[in-house]
Amino acid sequence: GDSVTQMEGPVTLSEEAFLTINCTYTATGYPSLFWYVQYPGEGLQLLLKATKADDKGSNKGFEATYRKETTSFHLEKGSVQVSDSAVYFCALSLSGNTPLVFGKGTRLSVIA
Amino acid sequence: DAGVIQSPRHEVTEMGQEVTLRCKPISGHDYLFWYRQTMMRGLELLIYFNNNVPIDDSGMPEDRFSAKMPNASFSTLKIQPSEPRDSAVYFCASRTSSGNTIYFGEGSWLTVV
Repeated sequence: GDSVTQMEGPVTLSEEAFLTINCTYTATGYPSLFWYVQYPGEGLQLLLKATKADDKGSNKGFEATYRKETTSFHLEKGSVQVSDSAVYFCALSLSGNTPLVFGKGTRLSVIA
Repeated sequence: DAGVIQSPRHEVTEMGQEVTLRCKPISGHDYLFWYRQTMMRGLELLIYFNNNVPIDDSGMPEDRFSAKMPNASFSTLKIQPSEPRDSAVYFCASRTSSGNTIYFGEGSWLTVV
């Protein structure tokens, strides 16, 4: 079945470090891909998305590129801040009629 | 615009009691989802509705769990009787038919003692 695999956390980085959180997917068709972020005590919020191959989603300094050849959608940020500490979820959707399939989430802690 | 609204935000109840969680989706959204989040199992889809009709409830863990959507602006998730292993954060989410982005509420944090 369709699935999303994320790197396991927790990931601990110093402020201003470079961030990569790996995400790969398995899908029978051509999914849309998403990154959601969950700050402590809150619900999930959409961070960015890409709907077709080679699209780049970006928001708040985060970027991810839809790579069909490697079935990946890795999340990157050039310089993390303490306020980026959260849990990050990669997800896919095959069509408007199917629910999102989420990865298990990766916890990021950024220390000053 | 108001987002997805859930209540209660926090609930502590004793084992065996009935728990009712409530959700108001974003106006105009015709898909509604109930998720459960725990440390052990991560984020699990319990059930989802389209136009108030349950489409897939295969994620509902047991007969103790039930969900209803009597109208387009309200849904409930009930647990009866509750057990300590039901302790989790329960999220409601919604989206439109034409969109693939779902919007989450802030969650209901349930503790069963």
